Amino acid sequence: GQQLNQSPQSMFIQEGEDVSMNCTSSSIFNTWLWYKQDPGEGPVLLIALYKAGELTSNGRLTAQFGITRKDSFLNISASIPSDVGIYFCAGQNSGGSNYKLTFGKGTLLTVNP
Amino acid sequence: NAGVTQTPKFQVLKTGQSMTLQCAQDMNHNSMYWYRQDPGMGLRLIYYSASEGTTDKGEVPNGYNVSRLNKREFSLRLESAAPSQTSVYFCASRGSGVREQFFGPGTRLTVL
Repeated sequence: GQQLNQSPQSMFIQEGEDVSMNCTSSSIFNTWLWYKQDPGEGPVLLIALYKAGELTSNGRLTAQFGITRKDSFLNISASIPSDVGIYFCAGQNSGGSNYKLTFGKGTLLTVNP
Repeated sequence: NAGVTQTPKFQVLKTGQSMTLQCAQDMNHNSMYWYRQDPGMGLRLIYYSASEGTTDKGEVPNGYNVSRLNKREFSLRLESAAPSQTSVYFCASRGSGVREQFFGPGTRLTVL
């Protein structure tokens, strides 16, 4: 099956620093999604990317859909303590009516005030 | 709108017991999904329902059954719980013509 490699596994940064994380796939996806999960909660959608090369921002977050369709990255600028959590990438192929997601294993972000 | 709701929030079972995890969405979405999340494993798809009346296996369906009771509700049943099924279970839903899935708050299950 499809596999996603998400890196880094964890990051410890100081408040105010910028953060970058990425996902690479062994196969092509039609859509890339980035989710954030707070402790004890379900994943919340941050950014959705639909076209190769697409660059999309949501506040301090910026994500890009790689031109090869096999990778994506997420940047967080000027990190704040509430950015703490696990960030997941997810790739999707919209074959038929399935729209199933394949998830990366997550990046655990810790922000020191 | 409450979005996607799940009950119970926590559950402890003994090996061999059965239980049903409930999920409901009020967004009029056609598709619903069940995932499990284990440490270091990300989220893995157990079963999904593309529309009312249909269900299909995902990546890790063994030991589980599902029922799409109506458009709103999608339940996950463990007939004979095993310690390997200790996990956090998430339900998600997706509307027609959109690609994003929206998740519930999860059910934390421990099987002793």
